Amino acid sequence: EAGVAQSPRYKIIEKRQSVAFWCNPISGHATLYWYQQILGQGPKLLIQFQNNGVVDDSQLPKDRFSAERLKGVDSTLKIQPAKLEDSAVYLCASSSFTGVVYGYTFGSGTRLTVV
Amino acid sequence: QKEVEQDPGPLSVPEGAIVSLNCTYSNSAFQYFMWYRQYSRKGPELLMYTYSSGNKEDGRFTAQVDKSSKYISLFIRDSQPSDSATYLCAMRIIQGAQKLVFGQGTRLTINP
Repeated sequence: EAGVAQSPRYKIIEKRQSVAFWCNPISGHATLYWYQQILGQGPKLLIQFQNNGVVDDSQLPKDRFSAERLKGVDSTLKIQPAKLEDSAVYLCASSSFTGVVYGYTFGSGTRLTVV
Repeated sequence: QKEVEQDPGPLSVPEGAIVSLNCTYSNSAFQYFMWYRQYSRKGPELLMYTYSSGNKEDGRFTAQVDKSSKYISLFIRDSQPSDSATYLCAMRIIQGAQKLVFGQGTRLTINP
C-alpha cells in the first residue's frame, strides 16, 4: 500500500508571499487531515475533510489559510499571505474509517520556513 | 490549561534501559488513546492504540491507561538505539469527528 504523498518537502518563502502544499492520500481513504506542527510541539489539526466536505476547520486561520479537496481525493493547503509564525511542518494524514479509530497514516510533511 | 500535557524531555538513557513516557489529560471525554513515534524529518507513525483502562502489550512496548487519573504511559523494555525518536501521545473522543489531540512529544535518545 502506497503511503500518503506530500509535496514539496521543503519550501522557503518571504513573509507576505503565498505558498501551496499538495497531498495525495492513501487510495480509498475517505478522511483527510491537515496538521500544523511547530518545532518542539505536537501536531495541531487545521482542517479535516470527509470525502470532499469539510468536517472540522475550527482551528484554521481562515483569513490567510485555505484548503480544498477536489473530487474527494487530492488536497491542497494554501497560505496567503504568509507570516513568520507560519514556519512549521505541515502534515497531511488520511484514514479509512469514520467510526472506528485505527489511527491515521501521516505523510512526511512539508517543512515551511518563512523569512 | 492544555487538553493534553506531555513532558517534552529531552530524555536520554543507555541502551537496554526501561523507558517510561507519560501524558496527562483534562478532558474526561477522551476514550481512544494512541502513541505515535516520529523520527527526524518524518511524519508520525502509529505505534500503539488502546481503548480501555489497563495495559496493552506489543513486543517491547506496553501502553497503560488509567482513566480515573487521566494518565497514560508508554513503557519501552530493552530499549535500542533505533528507538531514538520523538514519542507523541494522542487521544480522541468516541463520537463525532476523528480529530486527534496530540501531546507536545517527548524527545528520546537511546545511547549505545
